[in-house]
Amino acid sequence: EAGVTQFPSHSVIEKGQTVTLRCDPISGHDNLYWYRRVMGKEIKFLLHFVKESKQDESGMPNNRFLAERTGGTYSTLKVQPAELEDSGVYFCASSPQTRGLQAFFGQGTRLTVV
Amino acid sequence: GQQVMQIPQYQHVQEGEDFTTYCNSSTTLSNIQWYKQRPGGHPVFLIQLVKSGEVKKQKRLTFQFGEAKKNSSLHITATQTTDVGTYFCAGLGAAGNKLTFGGGTRVLVKP
Repeated sequence: EAGVTQFPSHSVIEKGQTVTLRCDPISGHDNLYWYRRVMGKEIKFLLHFVKESKQDESGMPNNRFLAERTGGTYSTLKVQPAELEDSGVYFCASSPQTRGLQAFFGQGTRLTVV
Repeated sequence: GQQVMQIPQYQHVQEGEDFTTYCNSSTTLSNIQWYKQRPGGHPVFLIQLVKSGEVKKQKRLTFQFGEAKKNSSLHITATQTTDVGTYFCAGLGAAGNKLTFGGGTRVLVKP
């Protein structure tokens, strides 16, 4: 069974540019989460999809971040325009429909804004 | 909103010694999960605790869920170099499916 895959693994962009991160969850997992870890600090929740619907987006920092999950399969997280403080590792995780089961994490995308 | 705190932030352990990391939630949890992230890696699920007062063991790791379901601990005995990494607890709130992570305890092992 394929795990959660994220693309790209690394991205270096200039301040003001746009970057789109992609996450392919494990097939059949309705729950999809985006998290961010900045400067080795805690893993912060960004948002949660149940299928194609945003269940909770309370962790999104501001309106420069846009997440989508069209069709309830893969998800994208777009940052536009990127700022220096957006640098960090963005993790995607998925879990099955049954509430409370473990989350499977992708390898993460390391975003560096210069 | 729900907050999850972990202490200590860093733990330097001599190989062979024991240590404990603690996790505290501001609200009562539905369950608590523990993850381990190796340097350069991604969080990997270790275990989930659901019941009040539950204790689970995985070889040298002992996990405990508090009676009030607001705190948890991870105890590692006879630490080995393979235990190096950051251990995160993550609490699942009573409502919704949002996992709130603690700040993590970064474990360094001195041989």
